[in-house]
Amino acid sequence: DTGVSQDPRHKITKRGQNVTFRCDPISEHNRLYWYRQTLGQGPEFLTYFQNEAQLEKSRLLSDRFSAERPKGSFSTLEIQRTEQGDSAMYLCASSLAYQLGVLNTEAFFGQGTRLTVV
Amino acid sequence: AQKVTQAQTEISVVEKEDVTLDCVYETRDTTYYLFWYKQPPSGELVFLIRRPSFDEQNEISGRYSWNFQKSTSSFNFTITASQVVDSAVYFCAGGIDNFNKFYFGSGTKLNVKP
Repeated sequence: DTGVSQDPRHKITKRGQNVTFRCDPISEHNRLYWYRQTLGQGPEFLTYFQNEAQLEKSRLLSDRFSAERPKGSFSTLEIQRTEQGDSAMYLCASSLAYQLGVLNTEAFFGQGTRLTVV
Repeated sequence: AQKVTQAQTEISVVEKEDVTLDCVYETRDTTYYLFWYKQPPSGELVFLIRRPSFDEQNEISGRYSWNFQKSTSSFNFTITASQVVDSAVYFCAGGIDNFNKFYFGSGTKLNVKP
């Protein structure tokens, strides 16, 4: 396992369509994060999972967005009824948090999925 | 609320010059962590350093060094003898370290010319 893998790398979709992205974290990592990055800006936190549990969601994550991590391994991020404002790079990251939550390794990021809504 | 300010949008230097990237992190948290990430054109964010707020010692790693001053909320990053491969966007970020929920700055694009 060489790192966090995201698929697809690029997605072009028409406004109103649904899209789904996949993230495969580093295998032993129990935490998984989704970030969104628009052009010229830093990434913004969307949500994160501890194993299969989704523990926090940003208010940026509207009702059209849903993320899952059903078996505590890979994760999917779905956007329904896409809008032009959804065009961005969607970044996934993973890290290892130890049992007591005291120590958390640094996050390793994938290369992202670039979404263009036309 | 947390705020990360990277005032330098873009910097251009000639190879072998030293360059400093500025970062200011504002927060009401008494304990926090600061990070620097590098984003090359390929897109992935590459971790460079994590520094807790209770450790103000400067750190050096090869050509990279970091200067953290809690009194001014600054966490500056210096590249010594820059190389073309250093060209990238560099992000400063801050957060509480029990999970990697970062607040990122808007990034500084570094262009190192041969």
